[in-house]
Amino acid sequence: KAGVTQTPRYLIKTRGQQVTLSCSPISGHRSVSWYQQTPGQGLQFLFEYFSETQRNKGNFPGRFSGRQFSNSRSEMNVSTLELGDSALYLCASSLAGPVNEQFFGPGTRLTVL
Amino acid sequence: GQQLNQSPQSMFIQEGEDVSMNCTSSSIFNTWLWYKQDPGEGPVLLIALYKAGELTSNGRLTAQFGITRKDSFLNISASIPSDVGIYFCAGQLDFGNEKLTFGTGTRLTIIP
Repeated sequence: KAGVTQTPRYLIKTRGQQVTLSCSPISGHRSVSWYQQTPGQGLQFLFEYFSETQRNKGNFPGRFSGRQFSNSRSEMNVSTLELGDSALYLCASSLAGPVNEQFFGPGTRLTVL
Repeated sequence: GQQLNQSPQSMFIQEGEDVSMNCTSSSIFNTWLWYKQDPGEGPVLLIALYKAGELTSNGRLTAQFGITRKDSFLNISASIPSDVGIYFCAGQLDFGNEKLTFGTGTRLTIIP
């Protein structure tokens, strides 16, 4: 069974631009969560989507948004990029049942110049 | 953002030694997960714990869910070079809430 895939793996943008990251979950997984990882703040939860609905949200500004499609694939968008948005963005998927093991993708390394 | 207290922050050991790390929280978690992350990659799930007091093994790895549900430890026996990496604990508050709160990480280095 294929794992979680994320595209692109690397991205360089400049301040003020916007970016869209994509995540394809493990087949059969209906929950997709997004995390930001930085050296200073560690791994921080952004939001989670289940059945095309945002079910949980972390403490990030409204510039960070996402969506989920009917095939469970998810996209994350960051508008008006700031230097501090440089990070590894990780996507995780799970069955979202009683067993809540989350499996992570390789991440997208975003660099904002 | 909130992070779990994980210790030690780093470890330098020789191949063959046993390793122990732990994670504590002021909050009660329903689930504890342990992940390992290699440079440039996403975290890989090692062990999942669901019941207070539960002790679970995965090969040379053993993890326990604390009785109070506010802590967990991970042991690695007879370390090998591929154990090098950063280990994270993660807590999940409730079923149906997929948000994971992560520990600060333990960086494991094996001295030749």
